[in-house]
Amino acid sequence: AQKITQTQPGMFVQEKEAVTLDCTYDTSDQSYGLFWYKQPSSGEMIFLIYQGSYDEQNATEGRYSLNFQKARKSANLVISASQLGDSAMYFCAMREPSTGNQFYFGTGTSLTVIP
Amino acid sequence: DSGVTQTPKHLITATGQRVTLRCSPRSGDLSVYWYQQSLDQGLQFLIQYYNGEERAKGNILERFSAQQFPDLHSELNLSSLELGDSALYFCASSVSGGFSEAFFGQGTRLTVV
Repeated sequence: AQKITQTQPGMFVQEKEAVTLDCTYDTSDQSYGLFWYKQPSSGEMIFLIYQGSYDEQNATEGRYSLNFQKARKSANLVISASQLGDSAMYFCAMREPSTGNQFYFGTGTSLTVIP
Repeated sequence: DSGVTQTPKHLITATGQRVTLRCSPRSGDLSVYWYQQSLDQGLQFLIQYYNGEERAKGNILERFSAQQFPDLHSELNLSSLELGDSALYFCASSVSGGFSEAFFGQGTRLTVV
């Protein structure tokens, strides 16, 4: 089974609107970490946000928030007030102790912000 | 700037050759991870080091090897290169070997011709 599933290969959003990128995960560990990374066309992987499995509050970092629903095993990324510079690939990832804390990445969602 | 430095940024080499990719982790980070990103395979975990010792191995080919030195920088050695090894190679570092935040370098884009 896939550890991380991102079902949206491509998304479009109007500038200044909010967008939600979906992510579901699969783990049997009680403790784990969930991440979102942004990869612009230049190639670098930019860390956006982290959510620990025991964190009760949803993580927020500026315009990014992570909608963490533990029972549903979902960790959706919400980007508010989209900007043209948000156009990029977005990867959801997980780390779990039982597999050595390596990153498992989803296949990514390509986000295009339309002016 | 993530604080993780990878060199070189671009590398073009011929089939059968050997190359070395270098990674300097963020100051204070003990753990280093190597990943390969290709169009058909996505992001694949290769290997992890923690404070100089190999901690976990992923889908790393026998032609590939890595090490982490006492100053905590790491090198990924790729030998007998094939066209299919062309990819973006990332290094990431984190403070511990746990599941907290990890930061990626800018990657080394390897092209095998």
